[in-house]
Amino acid sequence: EAGVAQSPRYKIIEKRQSVAFWCNPISGHATLYWYQQILGQGPKLLIQFQNNGVVDDSQLPKDRFSAERLKGVDSTLKIQPAKLEDSAVYLCASSGRQIPSYEQYFGPGTRLTVT
Amino acid sequence: GENVEQHPSTLSVQEGDSAVIKCTYSDSASNYFPWYKQELGKRPQLIIDIRSNVGEKKDQRIAVTLNKTAKHFSLHITETQPEDSAVYFCAASIGQGGKLIFGQGTELSVKP
Repeated sequence: EAGVAQSPRYKIIEKRQSVAFWCNPISGHATLYWYQQILGQGPKLLIQFQNNGVVDDSQLPKDRFSAERLKGVDSTLKIQPAKLEDSAVYLCASSGRQIPSYEQYFGPGTRLTVT
Repeated sequence: GENVEQHPSTLSVQEGDSAVIKCTYSDSASNYFPWYKQELGKRPQLIIDIRSNVGEKKDQRIAVTLNKTAKHFSLHITETQPEDSAVYFCAASIGQGGKLIFGQGTELSVKP
């Protein structure tokens, strides 16, 4: 079974530029999560989707971050405009074949550097 | 809001020794407690988890214990090997599909 896929793996941009990340969850997984992991810290949830609906986006900086999960499968996370403090690894995770479940499986992440 | 504290931040052991990492959570409604291993530049990998209706779970050299009354849980690794060297994260969540609240991580170093 293929795992969670993410692209790109690395991205370097200047502040005030925009960037987008893509995630393809494990086949059939209903729940998709985007986490931000700053160097030396644990991941922090940005947004959670159940199928194509948003469950939790309370920690998403909505003035600059946006995310969508069209058709309840792939998802994109966008930052516009980027700030220096957005430098982090952006991890996508998925869980729950058809229904919510406990275990979350992570993708390899996208390492973003904002200069 | 929910908070998870993890200790120690770094842990160095000799190969063959045991390692223990401890976490404390704040929300008594938390009912799922996974542990992830993250090697440098790699994705977090789920290594073991426990639900609130169980006090202890073991999988070969790793075990997790949960004390709901005290709101803390621990990871135990026995007979450590150099390949166990990594950063370990504890987490807590509420319900199926709930967001994970992570601890700050423990960098484990196993010296041959």
